[in-house]
Formats: sequence, structure tokens, C-alpha cells
Amino acid sequence: EPEVTQTPSHQVTQMGQEVILRCVPISNHLYFYWYRQILGQKVEFLVSFYNNEISEKSEIFDDQFSVERPDGSNFTLKIRSTKLEDSAMYFCASSEGQGSFYGYTFGSGTRLTVV
Amino acid sequence: AQTVTQSQPEMSVQEAETVTLSCTYDTSESDYYLFWYKQPPSRQMILVIRQEAYKQQNATENRFSVNFQKAAKSFSLKISDSQLGDAAMYFCADTGANSKLTFGKGITLSVRP
Repeated sequence: EPEVTQTPSHQVTQMGQEVILRCVPISNHLYFYWYRQILGQKVEFLVSFYNNEISEKSEIFDDQFSVERPDGSNFTLKIRSTKLEDSAMYFCASSEGQGSFYGYTFGSGTRLTVV
Repeated sequence: AQTVTQSQPEMSVQEAETVTLSCTYDTSESDYYLFWYKQPPSRQMILVIRQEAYKQQNATENRFSVNFQKAAKSFSLKISDSQLGDAAMYFCADTGANSKLTFGKGITLSVRP
């Protein structure tokens, strides 16, 4: 069964450093998402991406965050200057069409630890 | 704004018994979808079941079924014949026209052997 692949599975970074989280969505999927889950809390929407542009973003997704699909297969989330509160599990998801109807496939997540 | 409420932080069930996890939601959308996701200790998000709001028939997937009460905005998950592998965090979520998933806080289900 096709999978959404996320790398790395765990990343530790120093506060103020830039990090790039990588995702390879399912090949025929057109809609891409990033979600965040702070330990012990609920999963929160960050951003959705379609047709090479952001279609929606949440209040969390401020200027420190950016997304990119640089080569037609990878979908990346960049955090420019990490803060302690960015420590969380980050999930990538993709969908063949409008997610509501087609459903979403999530990756296994990247655990980001900011020290 | 969409909100999803899971008021029970944790539940426990005896192996082979049935358990129901509660969820309520609040949406202004006329067309929306509801989901239950399972998150085992590996923390991967696994789709358990999905319900389309315009369908009156409750969705079922093997041992998993939902009780969808549209007027009450309630969407509970029933797990029959509970197995040890069902132990996990369960999240209720909804989505409207914008395709953004809104999750509840989750419930931790433990299964007693």
C-alpha cells in the first residue's frame, strides 16, 4: 500500500537553528498538508498546499515557517529560527483530491526536539 | 470555526468487550466529513473510519462502527470484541469544504487482558 514517507524520524536542534523536515507524499496525490502535535496535546493544522502554493494556513504558521515542493516529489517544511516551543511531532499528510472526500494519508511523523 | 470535543480523557475496556468513545463537533458547514484516527505508541496516525455527513447510514469497518447523530452533532466510535492491539490514543476529527482537519484532544484507550 502506498505510503507517505517522512524524514528524519527524530531531529534534535539547537534553539535559533533552521530545520527542514522532509516528506515524500504518495505519487498521484495533489494536496499536501503539515500538522503539528505538541506532546500530550491535540493535533493542530499548520498548512495546506496545492498546485504549488499555500491554499490555507493557520495562525501557528507564521513567518518562521515555510513550505516548498522543490522537485515534484518532496514536500518540505522549513522552520527558520527554531524556538523551544516548536518541539513537537510534525506530521505530513497527502490526499488525492480534496481531502474531505478522498481521505488523507499521514506519514509516521518527525519528532522535533529543540534544545 | 470548527470545534471537536472529546470530553473523556481516557477509558479502559476488558479484552473481547465493547467500548464506545464519545465525540461531539460543532460546524457551520453543510457538507462535511467526520473521522476517527488511531495513534498507537509509534505515534503514526492511522485512519480507523470515516463518515460522510450527507449519508444517514452509520459507517462500519469490521469491528469498528460509528453512531452518527447529525442533529445532536455527535459522532461516537464503537469498538467491538476489543483486542490488545486496540490500545492507543483515538482522535475524532472533522473537515469541511476547506479540507482542513480539526482534531479533538483525543482519548487514551487501554485494553485489559
